[in-house]
Amino acid sequence: QTVVTQEPSFSVSPGGTVTLTCGFNSGSVSPTFYPSWFQQTPGQAPRTLIYNTDTRSSGVPDRFSGSILGNKAALTITGAQANDESSYFCVLYMGSGIWVFGGGTKLTVL
Amino acid sequence: QVQLVESGGGVVRPGVSLRLSCAASGFTFRSFAMHWVRQAPGKGLEWVAFIRSDGNNKYYADSVKGRFTVSRDNSKNTLYLQMNSLRAEDTAVYYCVKDSGYFDYWGQGTLVTVSS
Repeated sequence: QTVVTQEPSFSVSPGGTVTLTCGFNSGSVSPTFYPSWFQQTPGQAPRTLIYNTDTRSSGVPDRFSGSILGNKAALTITGAQANDESSYFCVLYMGSGIWVFGGGTKLTVL
Repeated sequence: QVQLVESGGGVVRPGVSLRLSCAASGFTFRSFAMHWVRQAPGKGLEWVAFIRSDGNNKYYADSVKGRFTVSRDNSKNTLYLQMNSLRAEDTAVYYCVKDSGYFDYWGQGTLVTVSS
């Protein structure tokens, strides 16, 4: 069974930098998985932040960046703000028309 | 501006069927593939289904394969999800998502509750 892994929770200080990761239980994540990242606050629909590994969606501030770090996809938030406190989800394309989401990371800014 | 409005959710008994709709506007619907993604209460996102722009290719998560059918009516700018043999574990908010080669715009979702 394909499992996409994310840290369940993370905390960052205001103004700090945090890197969230997105892994895959059967190997390494590469750009061929077209990793994307989404931000979601309670009661709201998800918002697309990053797609195709490192492309920011329209209107997303450049404090958010995507990359491949080692064998995982990564989302880095630089200069964290209070309103970055949200849940962050990644998704990977597994091929053959199948996508799998990670379990999400709840980010606390304190 | 892009708008995706889901409807058709509600409270149903296990084993029954339900059809969700997603009305699209603000873009050329027939030119874009679409997804359904769901989120159980307090849980993460789960990809459910994908349909290409012309409706000729459809893909499903294993958890719904054989029970759910995705379709679209490009003349009505509407995406559908026919859900049969519903189970308690299908309880979730269902989102439709525009695909621009990636998960682009999300609707606000419609809640489906399966309970006896």
